[in-house]
This record gives sequence, C-alpha cells and structure tokens, in this order.
Amino acid sequence: GQQVMQIPQYQHVQEGEDFTTYCNSSTTLSNIQWYKQRPGGHPVFLIQLVKSGEVKKQKRLTFQFGEAKKNSSLHITATQTTDVGTYFCAGSQRAGNNRKLIWGLGTSLAVNP
Amino acid sequence: DTGVSQNPRHKITKRGQNVTFRCDPISEHNRLYWYRQTLGQGPEFLTYFQNEAQLEKSRLLSDRFSAERPKGSFSTLEIQRTEQGDSAMYLCASSLERLADRSYEQYFGPGTRLTVT
Repeated sequence: GQQVMQIPQYQHVQEGEDFTTYCNSSTTLSNIQWYKQRPGGHPVFLIQLVKSGEVKKQKRLTFQFGEAKKNSSLHITATQTTDVGTYFCAGSQRAGNNRKLIWGLGTSLAVNP
Repeated sequence: DTGVSQNPRHKITKRGQNVTFRCDPISEHNRLYWYRQTLGQGPEFLTYFQNEAQLEKSRLLSDRFSAERPKGSFSTLEIQRTEQGDSAMYLCASSLERLADRSYEQYFGPGTRLTVT
C-alpha cells in the first residue's frame, strides 16, 4: 500500500540554526500537505502543494514539492523556540476517488534557546 | 468558537465497556474524518464521511468500531468491547471539498483521549 516516509524522526537544534525535514512517498501524489502539532496539541494545517516542482514560502518556512511529485521538504531558516513541535507531511494519492491523506510519522523539532 | 469540537476530551473506561465519542465539525464543512493517534506516531486514518455518506473505512479498523454522521453534521465514533490497545487520542477533522479531484486542508478538533484500564 501507499506509504509516506519522513526523516529525520527527531531533530535538536540551537536557536538560530536551520532545520529541514524530508518526506518521501512510495507512489506519485496528487498533492501534499504539511501540518504542525505542538506538544499536547492537535495538528494544524500549514500549507498544501499541488504542482510538480512547486515552492512556497511562509516567512521563515520554505516548502518544496518534487518534480516527480513523490517527495517534499520543509525548511525552516533561523529556528526560534516557537518552532518547537512535530511537523507532519500528509499525501493524497493520485488516482481514484480516494481522497484520504496518508500521513508520515512526523519529525519532532526541539530548539535550544 | 467556530472550530471543530470534540466531546468528551478525556475518557477512562474499563476493558470490555463500550464508549462513544462525538465530533462537531465546522458548520459548512462537508467532509469529516476520524483518526487515531498514539504517542510518537502520526494520525492513523480510521474513516471519513462526505456529508452523511461514509466513503471509506480503514482495513485496520475492526468490527468493534463504528461511525455515523446521520444528518451530515455531527458525527459519533463508537468502540464496542474496548481493549487496552484501543487507548489512544481520537482526532476528528473536517474540511470543505470544492472540487472532487483533490484533497483539502483539514481542521482538527482537540481530540478525545481514551484510556482503557
């Protein structure tokens, strides 16, 4: 079945350092979404990528969707303590009427002040 | 608050008992999803509804689990004969589908934490 792998599982950085998490799918995706979950909270939608090779920015966050629509990345420039949390990618498969999301296991980010 | 709400927020039950959770989605959203999440894992898809129709149920879901969305608004998730392995956070999410060929951002509720003793 379709799988979405996410690496790394954990990342510890000093405040001000950059951070990147990678997402890889076993199948071509229709689109990919990114969510952030703070400790004790619920997932909160960040962004959706739909087009091959798409790049979107939100302040210090840069999201990319691969040319083959099988991988994606989230890069945070100059991390802050407010970036702490788990970042999930979730992909929707390409064909058929199934629009459920397949979620990665997430990358937990810890930021030392 | 016009976000997704879930009740109860916490539920402790004994093994073998039945439990029911409720989700109230954002009012104009036509899709409603149920997920289960355990510590250190991503949300695990359980089932989803398009209006009142249940379109898919995870193969991982045993017959002890059932969900309804009778009027296309709120939804309930029932677990019968609970087992300790059912202990998890049960998340509900809703979205507004505008086109049939893609998925849309999901808005999550705070979840119901189930502990089976």
